Amino acid sequence: SYVLTQPPSLSVAPGKTASITCGGNNIGSKSVHWYQQKPGQAPVLVIYYNSDRPSGIPERVSGSNSGNTATLTISRVEAGDEADYYCQVWDSSSDHLVFGGGTKLTVL
Amino acid sequence: QVLLQESGPGLVKPSQTLSLTCTVSGGSISRGGYYWTWIRQHPGKGLEWIGYIYYSGSTYYNPSLKSRVTMSVDTSKNQFSLNLSSVTAADTAVYYCARLDPVDTAMVIDYWGQGTLVTVSS
Repeated sequence: SYVLTQPPSLSVAPGKTASITCGGNNIGSKSVHWYQQKPGQAPVLVIYYNSDRPSGIPERVSGSNSGNTATLTISRVEAGDEADYYCQVWDSSSDHLVFGGGTKLTVL
Repeated sequence: QVLLQESGPGLVKPSQTLSLTCTVSGGSISRGGYYWTWIRQHPGKGLEWIGYIYYSGSTYYNPSLKSRVTMSVDTSKNQFSLNLSSVTAADTAVYYCARLDPVDTAMVIDYWGQGTLVTVSS
């Protein structure tokens, strides 16, 4: 089955840029979605189709996808960005929805 | 705005069947075009996809849970349900219902329920 690999944690100072990676075999050929989950809350979609933002998501949140790595980038990081972030794809070869293991973003 | 709300017992005994229902408001399940899905999250862990159901009743389940999972839909009540049989402590998790948008077969989850904690314990 298709596997997505994320770093377990990332720490960034306020005002800096956070880049969260999601690795997968030829992931660039798939559409990647990203979710933000704060403690005790349900996940929220923050990026879909690699780089599109749902309404209400600030422009400083962006995404890219190429080769074997998709990246979620959060510019000018704020305390409110502290959360777990999950990447997700649909593996059409197995009709299986796949999540990455999640990355805990800590704002220093 | 589509809203989803899970309901069901918060405590299930080992070997019994976990049963949850998701009530959808703000959009009709029978309208079609979307899949309705269950996802769970073990305490302190990541997200695990359980499966999905279409308004017609067609289903697809995660192979790792397939032997124990049954999903159903009741379009008259705008609800869909999850049954997980022969539960053990390993099935203790927060269970989310959600909507899957299959645009371009990319399957994105655009709406989530708030989640409900189900504990398996005697």
